[in-house]
Amino acid sequence: RKEVEQDPGPFNVPEGATVAFNCTYSNSASQSFFWYRQDCRKEPKLLMSVYSSGNEDGRFTAQLNRASQYISLLIRDSKLSDSATYLCVVLDSGYALNFGKGTSLLVTP
Amino acid sequence: DTGVSQNPRHKITKRGQNVTFRCDPISEHNRLYWYRQTLGQGPEFLTYFQNEAQLEKSRLLSDRFSAERPKGSFSTLEIQRTEQGDSAMYLCASSSGGPNQPQHFGDGTRLSIL
Repeated sequence: RKEVEQDPGPFNVPEGATVAFNCTYSNSASQSFFWYRQDCRKEPKLLMSVYSSGNEDGRFTAQLNRASQYISLLIRDSKLSDSATYLCVVLDSGYALNFGKGTSLLVTP
Repeated sequence: DTGVSQNPRHKITKRGQNVTFRCDPISEHNRLYWYRQTLGQGPEFLTYFQNEAQLEKSRLLSDRFSAERPKGSFSTLEIQRTEQGDSAMYLCASSSGGPNQPQHFGDGTRLSIL
């Protein structure tokens, strides 16, 4: 069983829409959580860390539910430039990142 | 550019050849990681260094793979007797300070085995 599971999508949304991605993880001892963004044939780039109290960075809001082992990412007012793959990432052991397969987002005009 | 630097960007080689990739981490980062990513998958952890010490190796890292970080700065990843299944993007990342710090990735080396 994959340790980090995401809906692969694709999610096709119009500009200005709000879109939410969900992710579940299997290791209840997981310590840290992140969302990375990856453009086609590029490296993953850190979008934001995810904190237990929830956190916001501009149009992006991340939530963590440790009891349900569930992480979410909300993007408001989608831009064309938000089109990418969003990777849910869990740090289990203090060093190795466990990545989901990613959720593909396409924002259309 | 003070980011993680990897070279070469692309490597095409015949099956059975040896290849070596290089990673230069962000200068103040003491932790360095190697990952491998195949099409449609997220990156998978291969190995991890803290300074010059290799502290963990994934079961994905067969005996054909070896990584070094001799002076605690740049790192090399060598694959001997390459196989077609080795075709992938090899990503290097680095981080600073203690555990749980975000890892920052280089552009990767795309390996194609003919």
